[in-house]
Amino acid sequence: QVQLVQSGAEVKKPGASVKVSCKASGYTFTGNHIHWVRQAPGQGLEWMGWISPDNGDTYFAQKFQGWVTMTRDTSISTAYMELSRLKSDDTAIYYCAREQGIIAFDIWGQGTMVTVSA
Amino acid sequence: DIQLTQSPSFLSASVGDRVTITCRASQGISSYLAWYQQKPGTAPKLLIYAASTLQSGVPSRFSGSGSGTEFTLTISSLQPEDFATYYCQHLNSYPRAFGPGTKVDIK
Repeated sequence: QVQLVQSGAEVKKPGASVKVSCKASGYTFTGNHIHWVRQAPGQGLEWMGWISPDNGDTYFAQKFQGWVTMTRDTSISTAYMELSRLKSDDTAIYYCAREQGIIAFDIWGQGTMVTVSA
Repeated sequence: DIQLTQSPSFLSASVGDRVTITCRASQGISSYLAWYQQKPGTAPKLLIYAASTLQSGVPSRFSGSGSGTEFTLTISSLQPEDFATYYCQHLNSYPRAFGPGTKVDIK
């Protein structure tokens, strides 16, 4: 079935980087943008940006520009989100999601908990 | 950037109640609005897209309406499995902002 499966939980120290993967299956990976959304503990959803698996184009929320990298490997239908210079308030669940046209985010990964702690 | 507000932020209701959640956009977004349901420990689930189209597999007690700047999500008869947090999201432009959420709790 159509699904996005993310990598497992991470614990990082402040100043480090984290790279989260999102493996697509059940559909043509290059056909839809992949977005990344994060959710701090007890908080709402924060949109981070997207990558086009087709050509690698990216677009980031202004807050994350210069700080986040999004890449993909079409040979294994996997998108990646790397966040650098981590701070404690980057502790959150990070989700990938497929955008269906400009309609909605119809498929979500299960989320990856990233904890930033000294 | 387009901002979304939701009201109420918290709602206490009983099984069988009719529930309405409102989402307002800071500027017109046509019908580029989606609604999601999120239960604790799980990813958001798409309920409604294009303001009023029910996602496949979503019960018909959920409905959406509105266009421009004001939108509503209605649950016609609240069921035990509907207690969750609901978010609206616009897809009119970037950033693809979400509303702050409405938590629906058991009275």
